[in-house]
Amino acid sequence: AQTVTQSQPEMSVQEAETVTLSCTYDTSESDYYLFWYKQPPSRQMILVIRQEAYKQQNATENRFSVNFQKAAKSFSLKISDSQLGDAAMYFCAYRSFYGGAQKLVFGQGTRLTINP
Amino acid sequence: EAGVAQSPRYKIIEKRQSVAFWCNPISGHATLYWYQQILGQGPKLLIQFQNNGVVDDSQLPKDRFSAERLKGVDSTLKIQPAKLEDSAVYLCASSSELAGGPYNEQFFGPGTRLTVL
Repeated sequence: AQTVTQSQPEMSVQEAETVTLSCTYDTSESDYYLFWYKQPPSRQMILVIRQEAYKQQNATENRFSVNFQKAAKSFSLKISDSQLGDAAMYFCAYRSFYGGAQKLVFGQGTRLTINP
Repeated sequence: EAGVAQSPRYKIIEKRQSVAFWCNPISGHATLYWYQQILGQGPKLLIQFQNNGVVDDSQLPKDRFSAERLKGVDSTLKIQPAKLEDSAVYLCASSSELAGGPYNEQFFGPGTRLTVL
């Protein structure tokens, strides 16, 4: 079974600075998807960024980028120019590429605080 | 496009009582998921439907939890009887993805926070 580990329960950063959230995962599959989700106090999970394992190029979405190290099974999220609205819980998630069930396997989450 | 709707937003019950949660997915989405998120943890899948059939319910505690998706649209998740450890946020998500098909994003609802006293 796949597992996802986020070793940083909490992180804080000054507004406008850069922060990196860590995630490692365990799988025997060669093709899969990895995601970062943001969960603000409203509880609604919002997709931040997605990475396909077969793509060597790291995904980017505006101020958000990932460092995907497939051999090391590492998938970190970098947030540049942090804004107050970035404060939330961030979850790393894994999904199998093949098969009928497309469930997301989530890590424990990292609470990100932005200091003004 | 309207998002995934859930109700109620909050529910407080005594242990051994019954409770039901409702989810209305995004129109046209064939696949519907129920996740349980215990405080301080990431969400865990309870059950996945494709249309009105069950794809995965391997982590659903079937002695007390049940779910249905009549007519392949709305879904109801029920707990009977509730235990203290069922206190959690119950998230519903939907996607247009079909089993074995190409990837499509899962969209989440706002969740129902359940407190069992």
